Amino acid sequence: GQQVMQIPQYQHVQEGEDFTTYCNSSTTLSNIQWYKQRPGGHPVFLIQLVKSGEVKKQKRLTFQFGEAKKNSSLHITATQTTDVGTYFCAGLGGGGKLIFGQGTELSVKP
Amino acid sequence: GAGVSQSPSNKVTEKGKDVELRCDPISGHTALYWYRQSLGQGLEFLIYFQGNSAPDKSGLPSDRFSAERTGGSVSTLTIQRTQQEDSAVYLCASSLGLVEQFFGPGTRLTVL
Repeated sequence: GQQVMQIPQYQHVQEGEDFTTYCNSSTTLSNIQWYKQRPGGHPVFLIQLVKSGEVKKQKRLTFQFGEAKKNSSLHITATQTTDVGTYFCAGLGGGGKLIFGQGTELSVKP
Repeated sequence: GAGVSQSPSNKVTEKGKDVELRCDPISGHTALYWYRQSLGQGLEFLIYFQGNSAPDKSGLPSDRFSAERTGGSVSTLTIQRTQQEDSAVYLCASSLGLVEQFFGPGTRLTVL
């Protein structure tokens, strides 16, 4: 079945360092969404990418959707302690079902 | 307006008992999803309702799990004869079409 793989599983950074998480799908995606889950919380929607090669920015966060619409990345510039949490990508496949990656847990050391 | 609500927030049960978890989606949202999240793990898809279409049950791990959505609104996830491996946080989400999903706070299920 359709799978969405996300790496790395964990990332520990010093505050101020950059962070990137990568997402790869076994099949072409209609769109890709990114969510953030704070410790003890529930996933919260960050952004949706639809177009091939699309790049979107939210302050220090940069999201990319690959040309083949099979991969995506989230890059955080100059991490802050408020960035701590688990970042999930989710690809929209057939039937309207979102397939979530396993998530990347980010910890930031002040 | 109100977000997605789930009840109970915590449920402790004994192995072999049945449990019912409830989800109240955002009013007007046509799609409703159930996920399971074990400690430190990702989101495991369970079931997806879209409007009046037959639900996508492809993620249900066994026939002990079932879900229904009454009147296109409230949904109940039922786990029969609970096992210890069923312990997890059960998350519900709703959406309006194929866009962002709004998650509820989850129900933490502990099977003793």
